[in-house]
Amino acid sequence: DIQMTQSPSSLSASVGDRVTITCRANQGISNYLAWYQQKPGKVPKLLIYAASTLQSGVPSRFSGSTSGTDFTLTISSLQPEDVATYYCQNYNSAPWTFGQGTKVEIK
Amino acid sequence: EVQLVESGGGLVKPGGSLRLSCAASGLTFSSYAMNWVRQAPGKGLEWVSSISISSIHIYYADSVKGRFTISRDNAKNSLYLQMNSLRAEDTAVYYCGKSASIGAYHYYYMDVWGKGTTVTVSS
Repeated sequence: DIQMTQSPSSLSASVGDRVTITCRANQGISNYLAWYQQKPGKVPKLLIYAASTLQSGVPSRFSGSTSGTDFTLTISSLQPEDVATYYCQNYNSAPWTFGQGTKVEIK
Repeated sequence: EVQLVESGGGLVKPGGSLRLSCAASGLTFSSYAMNWVRQAPGKGLEWVSSISISSIHIYYADSVKGRFTISRDNAKNSLYLQMNSLRAEDTAVYYCGKSASIGAYHYYYMDVWGKGTTVTVSS
C-alpha cells in the first residue's frame, strides 16, 4: 500500500509568512495527489488536485508542487483565515490514503 | 448547488450494525464515483470505501474490509454504507464525498463533501 508521510505535524507562523507543508509518498504516484483544508469544526475542503491544480475559488496564495515522490503545499502569505489542518491524499491507487495532517496556527 | 446529506448515524453497541445513507442533489449522481471518509474524534481523515459509477469497482480500507459494504442506488441518488460487527475504533464522523470527474475519467479525490454523520460505538 502507498503510505503518505506529512511534515511537519504542526507549525506556527506569523501573518504574512510563507508556509510550506510536505507530503512524501513511499512509492511513485505520478501527480495523483490532492490537498485539503479543514478548518476547526468544519468539513474538509478541496484545495488542490493533480498536485498543482488549484480548485476553483481557492485563493491564489495557495500553490502545490512536486519533485518525484515529494509534494509541497505552499501558502505564500499566511492569513488568519488559513488556520486549519491540511491533509494530502494519494489517489493514484487504492487505498486512497491521507497523510496524517499538518495543523497550521498563527504565532 | 451540489449537496450531499448523510444520515443514519447514532449510538450502537460493539458488535452491532448501522446503515448510513447519503442523499445527493444538484448533480447527475449516476455520473460520479462516490466515497466514504471518516474522522475519529481529534484524529485525522481516514478513507473508508469507494464505489464506481456503475458499482463495478468497489474499494475498502483494510480496517473495514469484510465488515462494511458500500452500495449505491442511482435511481434514488443515494449512497449507502452498511456497517456490521462494529467496534469502538469505528467511532467517528462519517463523511460522504463525491469523486471528481474530468472528461471521461474518474478520480478518487473528493471535490464535494457532506457535513457528516456521527457514529458512536460504545456499550
